[in-house]
Amino acid sequence: DTGVTQSPTHLIKTRGQQVTLRCSPISGHKSVSWYQQVLGQGPQFIFQYYEKEERGRGNFPDRFSARQFPNYSSELNVNALLLGDSALYLCASSVATGGNSPLHFGNGTRLTVT
Amino acid sequence: AQSVTQLGSHVSVSEGALVLLRCNYSSSVPPYLFWYVQYPNQGLQLLLKYTSAATLVKGINGFEAEFKKSETSFHLTKPSAHMSDAAEYFCAVWSNFGNEKLTFGTGTRLTIIP
Repeated sequence: DTGVTQSPTHLIKTRGQQVTLRCSPISGHKSVSWYQQVLGQGPQFIFQYYEKEERGRGNFPDRFSARQFPNYSSELNVNALLLGDSALYLCASSVATGGNSPLHFGNGTRLTVT
Repeated sequence: AQSVTQLGSHVSVSEGALVLLRCNYSSSVPPYLFWYVQYPNQGLQLLLKYTSAATLVKGINGFEAEFKKSETSFHLTKPSAHMSDAAEYFCAVWSNFGNEKLTFGTGTRLTIIP
């Protein structure tokens, strides 16, 4: 089975610009979550989507938004980029929601804001 | 709120020696607990999960973890370290309060000494 795929793998943007990150879940997985991992720290929760509906939002500003499409793929958008948005953005998918459905992570998109 | 604490941001062991990575959790309800591994420039790979079925959980790559309620611990062990085990390890707990999400510890970097 193909794992979670994310694109692009690396991205360099300038402060104030906007960025869109993409994620394709494992086939059969209906839930997609997004996490931000700053260098040297554990991942922090941004969003969870299940069956195309937002199920949870972490403590991130409104500059961050996401959506899930009918094929369960997802996009994460970040507007008005700040230097502090530089991080590894991880997408994870799971069969359903809840702790009994472990998250399977992609390799991430490394975003650098200059 | 549910949380995990990883003791020791860096651990070094000799090749062939026992690996012990420590994780303590805080939860008012029976937790779902996970260990993930992250190799350089990659996403997170699920090592093992505890979902209350058995207190000793066996994972991939020879790792196992024991859930001890009396000590609120979920330490990760491997009897004999291999060079390929060098990576960052994250303990995580599934949070059901507010957003459903994984809450990660700060990570432990494991170095293997030849």
